[in-house]
Amino acid sequence: EVQLLESGGGLVQPGGSLRLSCVVSGFTFSSYAMSWVRQAPGRGLEWVSGISDSGGRIYYADSVKGRFTVSRDNSKNTLYLQMNSLRAEDTAVYYCVRDRMVYLHWGQGTLVTVSS
Amino acid sequence: EIVMTQSPATLSVSPGERATLSCRASQSVSSDVAWYQQKPGQAPRLLIYGASTRATGIPVRFSGSGSGTEFTLTISSLQSEDFAVYYCQQYNNWPPGTFGQGTKVETK
Repeated sequence: EVQLLESGGGLVQPGGSLRLSCVVSGFTFSSYAMSWVRQAPGRGLEWVSGISDSGGRIYYADSVKGRFTVSRDNSKNTLYLQMNSLRAEDTAVYYCVRDRMVYLHWGQGTLVTVSS
Repeated sequence: EIVMTQSPATLSVSPGERATLSCRASQSVSSDVAWYQQKPGQAPRLLIYGASTRATGIPVRFSGSGSGTEFTLTISSLQSEDFAVYYCQQYNNWPPGTFGQGTKVETK
């Protein structure tokens, strides 16, 4: 069974940093691209970032470019999202999802709240 | 960036009735459209990809159609578990893969 488990969310002040992790199981992590998708409270879905299976190709939404960094450790079956210079508008549930463009497998999400 | 516009924002339907949800792309996305269902407190669930291909395990009452800029998700006979929010997504012009704002299907 494919499982994706995010962690690392929480309350952070504007300008602060947070690192999200996503541990996966049930499939060969190193064979799949991975992505982060977020959802602000009561709002729709927004693609945030994507990374190729090897980590050699990385993509970001314009809204997070220069502030967020996606990475992966294939030896640990783990995907990361380093979030710096956080803003109120980054408040959202962050989902780890398998694949680059169409998302069959989702984590349960981790809530990031940016507030003073 | 391609904008995906869904209509209506809310659809009131009785159980057993047919529901038709629309999604329009700001420019052609060929057939590179997916549909997701989301229930409160849950992650989205993939229903349809390639505009019309059902994902594994998705009931046949869900069907997708369209190409270019106009797309439709049809639920042929609404079941109680189908009341949820539905999102379309284009992945033809990626990144980013943009989502529509969602259509809430509620009980009439």
